[in-house]
Amino acid sequence: RKEVEQDPGPFNVPEGATVAFNCTYSNSASQSFFWYRQDCRKEPKLLMSVYSSGNEDGRFTAQLNRASQYISLLIRDSKLSDSATYLCVALKTSYDKVIFGPGTSLSVIP
Amino acid sequence: DTAVSQTPKYLVTQMGNDKSIKCEQNLGHDTMYWYKQDSKKFLKIMFSYNNKELIINETVPNRFSPKSPDKAHLNLHINSLELGDSAVYFCASSLGSTGLGSPLHFGNGTRLTVT
Repeated sequence: RKEVEQDPGPFNVPEGATVAFNCTYSNSASQSFFWYRQDCRKEPKLLMSVYSSGNEDGRFTAQLNRASQYISLLIRDSKLSDSATYLCVALKTSYDKVIFGPGTSLSVIP
Repeated sequence: DTAVSQTPKYLVTQMGNDKSIKCEQNLGHDTMYWYKQDSKKFLKIMFSYNNKELIINETVPNRFSPKSPDKAHLNLHINSLELGDSAVYFCASSLGSTGLGSPLHFGNGTRLTVT
């Protein structure tokens, strides 16, 4: 089993829709979690960290489910500019390798 | 501007050649990385340096040799380039360790094409 797995999609959703992605991680000792966003032919950029209690940043909500070992990203009121690939990261220790999931591709269509 | 900058942005070369990619960050970060993103878009870590010390060395052919002259620079030298080396190479940095919640800051990437 891969360390971090994601549904590659693509997810094609209309503007204004709500869309959610999950990311499963294999190591129950993982402590730190992040979502990154990568636009086409660009570098990945941090979207948000994922906290144990869940956290929200505008239209974006991140959740952690330790029991089932997954993190989720919910995007409300999708915009065309949300079209990108969303990468998740799960880390175990301070100098753990930063392993990215394969990414989930999102296309928001007019 | 504060950033992670890498050069060149594009690199087209023939098999068997030796090439280098340079990376510099002026963010004051302690840790720097090289990642490879292949045609299937998988982003894989290759190397990580903390204050010039190698801390992660993934299973990468020894044709790839990173060098960190100081904590603001991490260069990647590739010997005897092969077709399979064609990919986008991203340099990144973080303040301290990512396990403590420090995010990665990526450079714009170097698109390497080996013909």
